[in-house]
This record gives sequence, structure tokens and C-alpha cells, in this order.
Amino acid sequence: QSVLTQPPSVSGAPGQSVTISCTGSSSNIGAGYDVHWYQQFPGTAPKLLIYDNTNRPSGVPDRFSASNSGTSASLAITGLQAEDEADYYCQSYDNNLRGSWVFGGGTKLTVL
Amino acid sequence: EVQLVESGGGLVKPGGSLRLSCAASGFTFSSYTMNWVRQAPGKSLEWVSSIYSSGSHIYYADSVMGRFSISRDNAKSSLYLQMSGLRAEDTAVYYCARRRGGAATGYDYWGQGTLVTVSS
Repeated sequence: QSVLTQPPSVSGAPGQSVTISCTGSSSNIGAGYDVHWYQQFPGTAPKLLIYDNTNRPSGVPDRFSASNSGTSASLAITGLQAEDEADYYCQSYDNNLRGSWVFGGGTKLTVL
Repeated sequence: EVQLVESGGGLVKPGGSLRLSCAASGFTFSSYTMNWVRQAPGKSLEWVSSIYSSGSHIYYADSVMGRFSISRDNAKSSLYLQMSGLRAEDTAVYYCARRRGGAATGYDYWGQGTLVTVSS
């Protein structure tokens, strides 16, 4: 059971848009800690997709965007392309107990 | 070019020990907090441990506290994870990752991972 909750899967046709949610609590996203998003293809390491809630590293297309609201965050992907099919993870910091860095359970994006 | 290359994974029996290494290049290693993150087969990512740039602050996930020890050698640009008392649930790909900046920032570079399998 991950501290941050994501839908197990989402899907969309090429050209369409999808949104992946990441639901936390008052000890992580709701406490104002930044949310980061990663993209991972099978058999490869995760890649930073969005950092500090809304920022894209160099080289990440502007089809990827993210936002926060209250205890949740979301990743939006517009103009879906076949190469976007991957697993997506959110991450934040949690100040419960001794504090730790927490990840969502991951969302598998299927491009139909 | 930033590179992180893990090594040291393998098959180990329950209760055994293993030492993972991560060789860094392409950046000033001594300026960054480094981390270990693992991923069990078919599962999500799990933060394992972090060590500040100077080694002054070290943090562990509850699941590995008392069994794993993180360290670094800034002169060799290397990160280590000493694992002991290994359990079946420690089976995972272990990644070393660089933290971008402050405590709550993301991990901007990752190694390719090294597989640890704990089984009799």
C-alpha cells in the first residue's frame, strides 16, 4: 500500500489527452512538499519527467504538464503518442514519524 | 555527461550480506545528496536510503533500518550500500539516484540498476 495513491492504469488513443492523479495526505502533498513525476519504460531506470510540481527538465516535451491542489497532484499528457506508453510514478516527501521520501504505486499508460 | 553505474548485485541466501556500489561521473559528486531506491519485481519504487553530500546526514526507510548501511567516498565518486540480514522481500532492482537539490527535491539522474535476489 503506497503512501501516494495512483490509478493502476489509464489509457487513451493517439492524439487524445489523459490525466494521472496522485492522492496524498496532510503529511505529504497537503503539507506543501513538492511533487515530482517519473516516466519508466520496461527494463529501464525511471526518468525525471516533472520536478517541483510543474517544471519540465530540458528535453521533456511540453505535452507533459502537472499541477497540485490540496492533497493531490495530477500529471496531464496531451497529444498522446505511442512512445508515451510507459509507467508513471509520483513522488513527494512525507513528514510522518521520522520523515521519508515516498512514491505512488505507479500508473500504466496504454496508448490504444 | 552524468553517469551512475551500479554493481554488486546477485543471488544471496536469506540472512546473507551484499555490498552494492555506484560509480558516479560527469558531475561534482561531493556536492550532491545521493540515494538508493529499489523496485521489487512488478512493483512500485521504494526509497531505501539517503546520504548528504558530506556524509553528515544519513536516512533509512523503516524497512531496512538496522540492516542496511549507506556510505560514500567522495574522493572516489562512489556510493555504497552494505546490506545484511537480507530477506526475501529485499529482492529488487536497486538504483542509485542523484537528488537535484534540497531535501524535498526529485532525483534527476538514475543508474541502470543492479538486481539483488534473496533466495535459498
